[in-house]
Amino acid sequence: DAGVTQSPTHLIKTRGQQVTLRCSPKSGHDTVSWYQQALGQGPQFIFQYYEEEERQRGNFPDRFSGHQFPNYSSELNVNALLLGDSALYLCASSLAQGGVEGLFFGPGTRLTVL
Amino acid sequence: SQKIEQNSEALNIQEGKTATLTCNYTNYSPAYLQWYRQDPGRGPVFLLLIRENEKEKRKERLKVTFDTTLKQSLFHITASQPADSATYLCALPDNYGQNFVFGPGTRLSVLP
Repeated sequence: DAGVTQSPTHLIKTRGQQVTLRCSPKSGHDTVSWYQQALGQGPQFIFQYYEEEERQRGNFPDRFSGHQFPNYSSELNVNALLLGDSALYLCASSLAQGGVEGLFFGPGTRLTVL
Repeated sequence: SQKIEQNSEALNIQEGKTATLTCNYTNYSPAYLQWYRQDPGRGPVFLLLIRENEKEKRKERLKVTFDTTLKQSLFHITASQPADSATYLCALPDNYGQNFVFGPGTRLSVLP
């Protein structure tokens, strides 16, 4: 049973560019959440997708957008990259009824903005 | 605003001792609390969930307590091993109960 997968593992971009990160949830999970984790910090919630809709959003600007596909996989898009967007981006999957069983995280995508 | 604090950024202990990590929160009334382990460059891994009506939860060498009056959870690793070295994160459900707010984590190093 494949867990949560993310691609790419590493990415280097320059300021102003745009980036797309991809995530496939754990088999049987229908909900995908994205988190940003800066070095030495805990993960910060960006948004959550369920039934191809953004269900909840954290305190992130509109430069951060996403999408969920019918197969439950998801993309995170970041436009007009800033140096401060450099971080580990984590995708987590769960079931729609909540995370009492815990969130299942992927390995993350390390984004570096130069 | 809601805030989660974890006792220290880093904790060093000798192999075989018990590690105790603290998670304190303010402006929350969570129905449950979770603990995760994170290794460098990897995503967090769920360890334990404890509900507000449970005082203590155990899983192998792990023990978690939850005091809703003190707004605190303690995470213990008994008979610690170098393989337990990692960052440990506590997480609380947000107001919708669908997502989680994470603490900053405590980096544990178990020295042989």
